Amino acid sequence: SQTIHQWPATLVQPVGSPLSLECTVEGTSNPNLYWYRQAAGRGLQLLFYSVGIGQISSEVPQNLSASRPQDRQFILSSKKLLLSDSGFYLCAWSVLGGARISGNTIYFGEGSWLTVV
Amino acid sequence: GQNIDQPTEMTATEGAIVQINCTYQTSGFNGLFWYQQHAGEAPTFLSYNVLDGLEEKGRFSSFLSRSKGYSYLLLKELQMKDSASYLCAVQSGGYQKVTFGTGTKLQVIP
Repeated sequence: SQTIHQWPATLVQPVGSPLSLECTVEGTSNPNLYWYRQAAGRGLQLLFYSVGIGQISSEVPQNLSASRPQDRQFILSSKKLLLSDSGFYLCAWSVLGGARISGNTIYFGEGSWLTVV
Repeated sequence: GQNIDQPTEMTATEGAIVQINCTYQTSGFNGLFWYQQHAGEAPTFLSYNVLDGLEEKGRFSSFLSRSKGYSYLLLKELQMKDSASYLCAVQSGGYQKVTFGTGTKLQVIP
């Protein structure tokens, strides 16, 4: 069965410090990978998605970046955090199934709580 | 672009039935999902609709009308543990992109 892990689960970082969140998927090959952010009381915002190694699509211009160095590894980074970067960050994966059966069902990791102080 | 609308909050009584609506506007529609998210946790997948009609899965059912850009999630025999946010999400474009609505926070009361 497929599993997804992301870490760290919780972190508190000062403004201007760097960030690195890591996510790995097991039990599947060539998944689509995603980073979402959920600010307090708000919906899920798609930040980046990737359909293959080195292929990153950015949805929101900001001071964050993403990389996919291996097939099942997805990393979210920042060189200098802002207060507005605080939120709940979710890594997710999907594999395109039969369109009439499961579509592109997305499965989420446990999430990482980031507080920028 | 895409626009997904859901009510912000709803309250229902334990044992009752509740319907959570979702309307969307998108180009290249390829399917609609419903997710459940308990406070402080990641969303979990509930249902997927790509054709018009009702999909039933236990106490939960989801309906889709593509011509109207409309879906609803129906929860029957409500239980206290159903208190959560319910997220509507639309798949569009090249299948890889799934966009979420802001969610409906459901409170089940005794």
